[in-house]
Amino acid sequence: QKEVEQDPGPLSVPEGAIVSLNCTYSNSAFQYFMWYRQYSRKGPELLMYTYSSGNKEDGRFTAQVDKSSKYISLFIRDSQPSDSATYLCAMINGGSNYKLTFGKGTLLTVNP
Amino acid sequence: DAEITQSPRHKITETGRQVTLACHQTWNHNNMFWYRQDLGHGLRLIHYSYGVQDTNKGEVSDGYSVSRSNTEDLPLTLESAASSQTSVYFCASSPGTGHTLNTEAFFGQGTRLTVV
Repeated sequence: QKEVEQDPGPLSVPEGAIVSLNCTYSNSAFQYFMWYRQYSRKGPELLMYTYSSGNKEDGRFTAQVDKSSKYISLFIRDSQPSDSATYLCAMINGGSNYKLTFGKGTLLTVNP
Repeated sequence: DAEITQSPRHKITETGRQVTLACHQTWNHNNMFWYRQDLGHGLRLIHYSYGVQDTNKGEVSDGYSVSRSNTEDLPLTLESAASSQTSVYFCASSPGTGHTLNTEAFFGQGTRLTVV
Protein backbone atom coordinates (compact mmCIF):
# COMPACT_ATOMS: atom_id res chain seq x y z
CA GLN A 1 0.00 0.00 0.00
CA LYS A 2 1.34 3.41 -0.99
CA GLU A 3 1.79 5.83 1.88
CA VAL A 4 -0.32 8.46 0.10
CA GLU A 5 -3.19 7.66 -2.27
CA GLN A 6 -4.74 10.24 -4.57
CA ASP A 7 -7.22 9.66 -7.37
CA PRO A 8 -5.52 10.93 -10.54
CA GLY A 9 -8.82 11.83 -12.19
CA PRO A 10 -9.13 13.52 -14.59
CA LEU A 11 -11.86 15.67 -13.08
CA SER A 12 -13.84 18.00 -15.32
CA VAL A 13 -16.32 20.53 -13.90
CA PRO A 14 -18.23 23.58 -15.18
CA GLU A 15 -17.16 27.06 -14.11
CA GLY A 16 -18.64 28.01 -10.76
CA ALA A 17 -18.83 24.45 -9.44
CA ILE A 18 -17.55 23.36 -6.05
CA VAL A 19 -14.60 21.02 -6.45
CA SER A 20 -13.56 18.41 -3.91
CA LEU A 21 -10.12 16.85 -4.11
CA ASN A 22 -9.03 14.12 -1.70
CA CYS A 23 -6.10 12.08 -0.45
CA THR A 24 -5.87 9.20 1.96
CA TYR A 25 -2.75 8.11 3.78
CA SER A 26 -1.59 5.14 5.78
CA ASN A 27 1.26 6.55 7.89
CA SER A 28 -0.17 7.84 11.16
CA ALA A 29 3.12 9.71 11.77
CA PHE A 30 2.23 12.28 9.12
CA GLN A 31 1.66 15.55 10.94
CA TYR A 32 1.76 18.29 8.31
CA PHE A 33 -0.40 18.37 5.22
CA MET A 34 -0.02 20.48 2.14
CA TRP A 35 -1.69 21.08 -1.19
CA TYR A 36 0.36 22.07 -4.21
CA ARG A 37 -0.97 23.31 -7.54
CA GLN A 38 0.91 22.51 -10.74
CA TYR A 39 0.08 24.11 -14.05
CA SER A 40 1.01 22.30 -17.24
CA ARG A 41 4.79 22.29 -17.84
CA LYS A 42 5.45 24.25 -14.64
CA GLY A 43 6.79 23.38 -11.22
CA PRO A 44 4.41 22.80 -8.29
CA GLU A 45 3.57 25.79 -6.09
CA LEU A 46 2.32 25.67 -2.52
CA LEU A 47 -1.39 26.46 -2.13
CA MET A 48 -2.11 25.66 1.49
CA TYR A 49 -0.56 24.07 4.53
CA THR A 50 -2.32 22.65 7.59
CA TYR A 51 -1.29 21.00 10.80
CA SER A 52 -3.54 18.65 12.79
CA SER A 53 -7.21 17.97 12.17
CA GLY A 54 -9.62 20.71 11.23
CA ASN A 55 -10.29 23.22 8.49
CA LYS A 56 -8.25 26.05 7.06
CA GLU A 57 -9.69 28.58 4.67
CA ASP A 58 -7.91 30.88 2.21
CA GLY A 59 -10.18 32.73 -0.16
CA ARG A 60 -11.99 30.21 -2.34
CA PHE A 61 -9.89 27.33 -1.03
CA THR A 62 -10.55 25.25 2.09
CA ALA A 63 -8.24 22.51 3.31
CA GLN A 64 -9.64 19.88 5.63
CA VAL A 65 -7.77 17.24 7.63
CA ASP A 66 -9.32 14.28 9.42
CA LYS A 67 -6.49 12.45 11.16
CA SER A 68 -8.79 9.83 12.68
CA SER A 69 -9.78 8.73 9.17
CA LYS A 70 -6.36 9.54 7.63
CA TYR A 71 -8.13 11.63 5.01
CA ILE A 72 -7.47 15.12 3.71
CA SER A 73 -9.49 17.25 1.31
CA LEU A 74 -9.19 20.45 -0.67
CA PHE A 75 -12.37 22.28 -1.60
CA ILE A 76 -12.47 24.95 -4.29
CA ARG A 77 -15.54 27.19 -4.30
CA ASP A 78 -16.73 29.09 -7.37
CA SER A 79 -14.17 27.30 -9.52
CA GLN A 80 -12.61 29.27 -12.37
CA PRO A 81 -10.96 28.17 -15.64
CA SER A 82 -7.70 29.48 -14.14
CA ASP A 83 -8.01 26.75 -11.49
CA SER A 84 -7.40 24.14 -14.20
CA ALA A 85 -4.23 22.38 -13.08
CA THR A 86 -2.94 19.27 -11.35
CA TYR A 87 -3.40 19.34 -7.58
CA LEU A 88 -0.92 17.39 -5.47
CA CYS A 89 -1.32 16.57 -1.83
CA ALA A 90 1.87 16.28 0.20
CA MET A 91 2.65 15.22 3.75
CA ILE A 92 5.49 15.36 6.19
CA ASN A 93 6.42 12.84 8.85
CA GLY A 94 7.42 15.16 11.63
CA GLY A 95 9.22 12.38 13.48
CA SER A 96 11.47 11.65 10.51
CA ASN A 97 13.60 14.07 8.52
CA TYR A 98 10.85 16.28 7.21
CA LYS A 99 10.85 15.05 3.65
CA LEU A 100 7.73 15.65 1.60
CA THR A 101 5.75 12.59 0.47
CA PHE A 102 3.50 13.42 -2.47
CA GLY A 103 0.31 11.94 -3.84
CA LYS A 104 0.23 11.30 -7.58
CA GLY A 105 -1.86 14.38 -8.26
CA THR A 106 -5.40 14.97 -9.59
CA LEU A 107 -5.82 16.69 -12.97
CA LEU A 108 -8.65 19.24 -12.80
CA THR A 109 -10.23 21.02 -15.75
CA VAL A 110 -12.73 23.82 -15.17
CA ASN A 111 -14.76 24.47 -18.30
CA PRO A 112 -16.02 28.01 -19.05
CA ASP B 1 13.43 38.77 -7.17
CA ALA B 2 14.85 35.61 -5.64
CA GLU B 3 14.23 32.50 -7.65
CA ILE B 4 15.17 28.94 -8.42
CA THR B 5 16.29 28.09 -11.94
CA GLN B 6 16.97 24.82 -13.68
CA SER B 7 18.98 24.24 -16.81
CA PRO B 8 18.65 23.00 -19.40
CA ARG B 9 14.85 23.00 -19.74
CA HIS B 10 14.98 20.21 -22.29
CA LYS B 11 17.68 17.66 -23.04
CA ILE B 12 18.02 14.59 -25.22
CA THR B 13 20.91 12.28 -24.51
CA GLU B 14 22.06 8.82 -25.44
CA THR B 15 22.10 5.74 -23.27
CA GLY B 16 25.33 5.43 -21.31
CA ARG B 17 26.29 9.10 -21.37
CA GLN B 18 26.87 11.13 -18.23
CA VAL B 19 24.43 13.99 -17.85
CA THR B 20 24.35 16.83 -15.34
CA LEU B 21 21.25 18.90 -14.62
CA ALA B 22 21.82 22.25 -12.96
CA CYS B 23 19.80 23.84 -10.17
CA HIS B 24 20.52 27.30 -8.81
CA GLN B 25 18.59 29.21 -6.15
CA THR B 26 19.08 32.78 -4.98
CA TRP B 27 17.04 32.62 -1.76
CA ASN B 28 20.01 31.39 0.27
CA HIS B 29 17.91 28.39 1.36
CA ASN B 30 19.73 25.66 3.23
CA ASN B 31 17.54 22.82 1.98
CA MET B 32 17.52 21.63 -1.61
CA PHE B 33 15.84 18.65 -3.24
CA TRP B 34 15.70 16.79 -6.53
CA TYR B 35 12.52 15.02 -7.61
CA ARG B 36 11.50 13.17 -10.72
CA GLN B 37 7.92 13.19 -11.95
CA ASP B 38 6.51 10.35 -14.00
CA LEU B 39 3.00 9.49 -15.09
CA GLY B 40 1.51 7.06 -12.61
CA HIS B 41 4.15 7.74 -9.97
CA GLY B 42 3.85 11.39 -9.09
CA LEU B 43 6.83 13.19 -7.57
CA ARG B 44 9.54 10.96 -6.15
CA LEU B 45 12.52 12.16 -4.16
CA ILE B 46 15.94 11.40 -5.67
CA HIS B 47 18.43 13.21 -3.41
CA TYR B 48 18.32 16.04 -0.93
CA SER B 49 20.69 18.29 0.96
CA TYR B 50 20.29 20.20 4.21
CA GLY B 51 23.37 22.35 3.69
CA VAL B 52 26.84 22.65 2.17
CA GLN B 53 28.65 19.31 2.04
CA ASP B 54 25.50 17.49 3.17
CA THR B 55 23.77 15.07 0.76
CA ASN B 56 21.26 12.30 1.37
CA LYS B 57 19.61 9.61 -0.72
CA GLY B 58 15.91 9.69 -1.43
CA GLU B 59 13.63 6.85 -2.46
CA VAL B 60 14.88 6.57 -6.07
CA SER B 61 18.59 7.46 -5.84
CA ASP B 62 20.13 4.57 -7.82
CA GLY B 63 22.00 5.88 -10.86
CA TYR B 64 22.01 9.49 -9.60
CA SER B 65 24.43 11.56 -7.57
CA VAL B 66 24.55 15.11 -6.20
CA SER B 67 27.13 17.34 -4.59
CA ARG B 68 26.67 20.53 -2.58
CA SER B 69 29.74 22.74 -2.66
CA ASN B 70 27.88 26.00 -2.00
CA THR B 71 24.46 27.13 -0.76
CA GLU B 72 23.10 28.15 -4.17
CA ASP B 73 23.66 25.05 -6.30
CA LEU B 74 22.73 21.37 -6.23
CA PRO B 75 23.65 19.74 -9.56
CA LEU B 76 22.17 16.32 -10.30
CA THR B 77 24.36 13.87 -12.23
CA LEU B 78 23.20 10.79 -14.05
CA GLU B 79 26.33 8.66 -14.11
CA SER B 80 25.32 6.50 -17.08
CA ALA B 81 21.97 7.52 -18.50
CA ALA B 82 19.37 4.80 -19.00
CA SER B 83 16.03 4.90 -20.82
CA SER B 84 14.30 4.37 -17.46
CA GLN B 85 15.62 7.79 -16.45
CA THR B 86 13.56 9.55 -19.10
CA SER B 87 11.45 11.86 -16.95
CA VAL B 88 10.75 15.41 -15.86
CA TYR B 89 13.15 16.50 -13.12
CA PHE B 90 12.29 19.16 -10.56
CA CYS B 91 14.61 20.90 -8.19
CA ALA B 92 13.21 22.51 -5.05
CA SER B 93 14.50 24.52 -2.13
CA SER B 94 13.12 25.46 1.26
CA PRO B 95 14.18 27.67 4.15
CA GLY B 96 15.25 26.49 7.58
CA THR B 97 18.37 25.04 9.10
CA GLY B 98 19.22 21.40 9.50
CA HIS B 99 16.11 19.28 9.70
CA THR B 100 13.59 22.03 10.26
CA LEU B 101 10.18 21.83 8.72
CA ASN B 102 10.02 22.00 4.95
CA THR B 103 6.41 22.91 4.42
CA GLU B 104 7.17 25.75 2.04
CA ALA B 105 9.22 24.20 -0.74
CA PHE B 106 9.77 26.29 -3.87
CA PHE B 107 10.10 24.41 -7.13
CA GLY B 108 11.95 25.18 -10.33
CA GLN B 109 10.34 24.97 -13.75
CA GLY B 110 11.61 21.48 -14.43
CA THR B 111 13.98 19.79 -16.89
CA ARG B 112 12.51 17.40 -19.41
CA LEU B 113 15.12 14.69 -20.03
CA THR B 114 14.84 12.08 -22.77
CA VAL B 115 17.30 9.20 -22.92
CA VAL B 116 17.39 7.48 -26.32
